[in-house]
Amino acid sequence: KNEVEQSPQNLTAQEGEFITINCSYSVGISALHWLQQHPGGGIVSLFMLSSGKKKHGRLIATINIQEKHSSLHITASHPRDSAVYICAVGAGSNYQLIWGAGTKLIIKP
Amino acid sequence: NAGVTQTPKFQVLKTGQSMTLQCAQDMNHNSMYWYRQDPGMGLRLIYYSASEGTTDKGEVPNGYNVSRLNKREFSLRLESAAPSQTSVYFCASSPDGNQPQHFGDGTRLSIL
Repeated sequence: KNEVEQSPQNLTAQEGEFITINCSYSVGISALHWLQQHPGGGIVSLFMLSSGKKKHGRLIATINIQEKHSSLHITASHPRDSAVYICAVGAGSNYQLIWGAGTKLIIKP
Repeated sequence: NAGVTQTPKFQVLKTGQSMTLQCAQDMNHNSMYWYRQDPGMGLRLIYYSASEGTTDKGEVPNGYNVSRLNKREFSLRLESAAPSQTSVYFCASSPDGNQPQHFGDGTRLSIL
């Protein structure tokens, strides 16, 4: 069983829909990261959180430490949100993150 | 506003050839990383450098060597390339450990 699991693996939605991507982990963590990988390949860090909730524009990330679960929400989704969203956790080593396999999101106009 | 710069962007090698992937960051970050990304798999850490003058193995170090030349630059060397090393390679940096990482655009490497 992978230590970091994301669901769904693939998600297709219509423009404007509310999107939720989930990340579950099985180890104790110091922080959880959400990243976005664009279709062209570039990777951008979206959030780093260790408790509660963070918001940036239409993106919201939440984490429940007790349940070992995090969600990434996108409100009013847009085709430009189409990307792979990756969850990673810092556990033990400060330098070796444990990476999820990613969720591929397609938003149709 | 360069951030993390990787060179080259694309490279094709023959089995047994050697090459060095270059990475430089201009954000005064202490920590730097090399990852590989293969289809259907998450990022895998090859080597990292917590700070200038130090390097450590990651999850998949075999077949690679690294050099932290100075605070800005962190290079990855394939001494004798193998087809299994065909992948997309990403360099990243962060202020220190377990902080948001900034990624380069990647190098697509094919070994024939």
